[in-house]
Amino acid sequence: DAGVIQSPRHEVTEMGQEVTLRCKPISGHNSLFWYRQTMMRGLELLIYFNNNVPIDDSGMPEDRFSAKMPNASFSTLKIQPSEPRDSAVYFCASSLAGPYEQYFGPGTRLTVT
Amino acid sequence: AQSVTQLDSQVPVFEEAPVELRCNYSSSVSVYLFWYVQYPNQGLQLLLKYLSGSTLVKGINGFEAEFNKSQTSFHLRKPSVHISDTAEYFCAVSTRYSTLTFGKGTMLLVSP
Repeated sequence: DAGVIQSPRHEVTEMGQEVTLRCKPISGHNSLFWYRQTMMRGLELLIYFNNNVPIDDSGMPEDRFSAKMPNASFSTLKIQPSEPRDSAVYFCASSLAGPYEQYFGPGTRLTVT
Repeated sequence: AQSVTQLDSQVPVFEEAPVELRCNYSSSVSVYLFWYVQYPNQGLQLLLKYLSGSTLVKGINGFEAEFNKSQTSFHLRKPSVHISDTAEYFCAVSTRYSTLTFGKGTMLLVSP
């Protein structure tokens, strides 16, 4: 299995631009998670989906952030407009539904200048 | 809701010495427990997990952890560390009704 795939691996953009991060979960997994990791705040859960439906988006910092999962094999996290404080590593993870271990992708390092 | 506390933000240790990374949790229902490792510039990787059964769990790379229900702990141990074990370690807890909640992480620094 290829594992969780994220793209791009690195993204540098200017403040105000739209950023779209992409994730392909492990085949057969029906839960998908988006996390953000920074030195200051550590690992934060932004949103998670079960069977393509958003279950908990309480971690989404503000309306500038949105996430979609149009099918079982693809999800996006969009930031519009981006701000310097959004600079972080964004991880996608997938799992079987329930309290099971999550499998993480390699992350997208986002830098907003 | 459950929570996880990792008491040490950094643990420095010399190569070949034993190490223990501490993790305590809080939950009103039965829990499942996990340890993850994150090497520099990589994603988190599952090290070991406790779902049920034996309270002593063995994982990859020679690590083990013991579930102690009375002390609500799940400490991670390794009898002899290597330079390559330098990484950040995350404890996580879930329940039958919830997904993982992660601790803030412990940075293990192994020096020669």
